[in-house]
Amino acid sequence: KQEVTQIPAALSVPEGENLVLNCSFTDSAIYNLQWFRQDPGKGLTSLLLIQSSQREQTSGRLNASLDKSSGRSTLYIAASQPGDSATYLCAVRQVAGNQFYFGTGTSLTVIP
Amino acid sequence: GAGVSQSPSNKVTEKGKDVELRCDPISGHTALYWYRQSLGQGLEFLIYFQGNSAPDKSGLPSDRFSAERTGGSVSTLTIQRTQQEDSAVYLCASSIQGASSGNTIYFGEGSWLTVV
Repeated sequence: KQEVTQIPAALSVPEGENLVLNCSFTDSAIYNLQWFRQDPGKGLTSLLLIQSSQREQTSGRLNASLDKSSGRSTLYIAASQPGDSATYLCAVRQVAGNQFYFGTGTSLTVIP
Repeated sequence: GAGVSQSPSNKVTEKGKDVELRCDPISGHTALYWYRQSLGQGLEFLIYFQGNSAPDKSGLPSDRFSAERTGGSVSTLTIQRTQQEDSAVYLCASSIQGASSGNTIYFGEGSWLTVV
């Protein structure tokens, strides 16, 4: 069974700092990997989707990379802002099966 | 609709009662998913629909849980004889095509269920 791990579980940084969130998965037979943001009391908002054939995707201050063979993805956030404070989740869609497998998330706090 | 819509947004029910949670996916999305998120836990897969059929029910935790989808659109998740451990956020998501595609999955705001 696919296992998705996110490290660290929580992160606190001062405003303006660049940061990296990590996601690892055990089964490399995936279609894609998706990063989400979840604000308290809210659903999940999709940030970036990386197909299995891609190495990275960028959107604004966010850059996500994928190394499928080693089972790793990173989400890089540049020049962090207090509004970036949220829980960030990664999820992989496997070739076999019908579901996304989610990590337990990294809770990010950006201190003004 | 513009996004995935779920109702009710909040539900408090007494132990032993039945509850129905509704999901209205994005128009044209054939794939629909139900997930559960308990306090401090990750997302737990419940069931996947492709059109009106449910090829994967493997995540339903017990026979008290059932789901249906009609007209390839709205889905209802029913929990019978609710227990306190059923308290969680129930999240619905949809995507344009099924699980074998590379499409983005979009989530609703969730239905927050509390069993007292």
